[in-house]
Amino acid sequence: QKEVEQNSGPLSVPEGAIASLNCTYSDRVSQSFFWYRQYSGKSPELIMSIYSNGDKEDGRFTAQLNKASQYVSLLIRDSQPSDSATYLCAVNSYSNDYKLSFGAGTTVTVRA
Amino acid sequence: DTGVSQDPRHKITKRGQNVTFRCDPISEHNRLYWYRQTLGQGPEFLTYFQNEAQLEKSRLLSDRFSAERPKGSFSTLEIQRTEQGDSAMYLCASSLGRLAGVTGELFFGEGSRLTVL
Repeated sequence: QKEVEQNSGPLSVPEGAIASLNCTYSDRVSQSFFWYRQYSGKSPELIMSIYSNGDKEDGRFTAQLNKASQYVSLLIRDSQPSDSATYLCAVNSYSNDYKLSFGAGTTVTVRA
Repeated sequence: DTGVSQDPRHKITKRGQNVTFRCDPISEHNRLYWYRQTLGQGPEFLTYFQNEAQLEKSRLLSDRFSAERPKGSFSTLEIQRTEQGDSAMYLCASSLGRLAGVTGELFFGEGSRLTVL
């Protein structure tokens, strides 16, 4: 079982719609959760971090964390063509010596 | 400070040659990480430093790979006797370690893309 798994995608949404990305993780004691955006040929860019159960909103992005279900999600509201990218879920924990483990990413395409 | 910088951005080499990548982290960050990313995959952890100490090396890092961070500032990643399977994006990231050992967010450089012919 991979440490971090994401829905494989690709995910295609029309402009203005909500894109929903999911991520599950295997280490129950994971403590910190991150979403990175990666444009083709570029490096990952941090867009959201979440540490406690519930929702965290930042502009058009909302991260949701449920530690009991070992599940973290990212919602992108009012999707724009500029949101077209690969979104990487990353997790760290004490048992993993606090280094980030990444999922394989979900590629999102926003259709104009 | 403009963030994490990596050099070179692109490197094409022939199989069997040695290559070295350099990373300059954000100046106040005491942790520096090396990751490798291949097409369609997320970044895979290779190694990391806290100040000048190399704390962990992934099993992905064969004996042909070596990383250093002299004086706790910039870091180098050297690959000896390159193989075609080494072709990847090599990403450097830095972070500011927080209290209780919980790392903060990682900030990545633009990466060094290696192509081994």
